[in-house]
Amino acid sequence: QKEVEQDPGPLSVPEGAIVSLNCTYSNSAFQYFMWYRQYSRKGPELLMYTYSSGNKEDGRFTAQVDKSSKYISLFIRDSQPSDSATYLCAMARNTNAGKSTFGDGTTLTVKP
Amino acid sequence: DAGVIQSPRHEVTEMGQEVTLRCKPISGHNSLFWYRQTMMRGLELLIYFNNNVPIDDSGMPEDRFSAKMPNASFSTLKIQPSEPRDSAVYFCASKQAGNTIYFGEGSWLTVV
Repeated sequence: QKEVEQDPGPLSVPEGAIVSLNCTYSNSAFQYFMWYRQYSRKGPELLMYTYSSGNKEDGRFTAQVDKSSKYISLFIRDSQPSDSATYLCAMARNTNAGKSTFGDGTTLTVKP
Repeated sequence: DAGVIQSPRHEVTEMGQEVTLRCKPISGHNSLFWYRQTMMRGLELLIYFNNNVPIDDSGMPEDRFSAKMPNASFSTLKIQPSEPRDSAVYFCASKQAGNTIYFGEGSWLTVV
């Protein structure tokens, strides 16, 4: 079993929809939780970064961490075609985010 | 800033040949990471350097893989001899202190 499992997708939604992307994990040592966005044929870029449980909001994006359930989510409100990309969750035991364990990614398509 | 620069962007080589991938991190960043991304295994950390020193190479798959960082502005990932199962996208990334990792656009390697 992988340490990080991510909903495989693909996901296709109409413009303006609310999108929920989810990951579960098995290692309780994970303390730092990240979401990356990866456009086609590009490198991942950090979207959201949270520490421990709780919510964090940045514009249309909300990251949610529930450590008791070992479950994290990324919500996208008022989705736009420009949000079409692959979203990767990632988790780390310490502040060295470069040593994160990544999910396999969920590919999202937002249709105009 | 130009971001993390990787070369070549695409490489097709025959099995048994040596492959050298190159990376120029963002100026001033003191950590450098090499990742590999495949459909089967997702994004995996191969090796990372801190202040040009290799810190953790536990992700390097086998002795055919080697990485160097002779100075703060240049790193190489070498595969010798290459095999078809090495076909993947190889990403270089860098960061300063903190949690934001900046990825390059990747080197797309096909070994036939």
